Amino acid sequence: QQQVKQSPQSLIVQKGGIPIINCAYENTAFDYFPWYQQFPGKGPALLIAIRPDVSEKKEGRFTISFNKSAKQFSLHIMDSQPGDSATYFCAASMRGGNKLTFGTGTQLKVEL
Amino acid sequence: DSGVTQTPKHLITATGQRVTLRCSPRSGDLSVYWYQQSLDQGLQFLIQYYNGEERAKGNILERFSAQQFPDLHSELNLSSLELGDSALYFCASSVGRHTEAFFGQGTRLTVV
Repeated sequence: QQQVKQSPQSLIVQKGGIPIINCAYENTAFDYFPWYQQFPGKGPALLIAIRPDVSEKKEGRFTISFNKSAKQFSLHIMDSQPGDSATYFCAASMRGGNKLTFGTGTQLKVEL
Repeated sequence: DSGVTQTPKHLITATGQRVTLRCSPRSGDLSVYWYQQSLDQGLQFLIQYYNGEERAKGNILERFSAQQFPDLHSELNLSSLELGDSALYFCASSVGRHTEAFFGQGTRLTVV
């Protein structure tokens, strides 16, 4: 049973645009929600993470919005650049980094 | 560079064989996680060790086993390999049992 649903599967935006990737979870025991960025041939790299006691977190150009009642969270990338072209994964776990359940990934392409 | 080192980077082996994947965690990290990434299953948690002890188990097959040694490096052993075991295998590490996890570059296993 897939516990974290991610959409869209792929996304193309123009340079400077704001791609938004959405995730929804089912398990209300999840209390840690990270986003990972993965380039071809590389391992996932932690971008930003949020816990359910806040509704928004910003780190540089990356923002997580969190809606606990809807069991949804999303990643916004401000002023996107071609170098942001990668696959993005949302994930969730209970009690910190233990046993991450990943979404299916979103392939982002930022065009000039 | 996450600081997590995995060897080998690539491995090609025949069905029925046994292989060992190695992971050196970031300096100071006590937790090691193993994940499998395949096109059909996505990123799936396999197993976690903390300071030498198994702490959590995911969708790990009985043909697979892992251990964490006193120097904190970990090995994932895959036996009786099948074509469907072809995948990227990632190791991740974290300071504690419930903190952010950082991924290595992965080992690409091809079973022929």
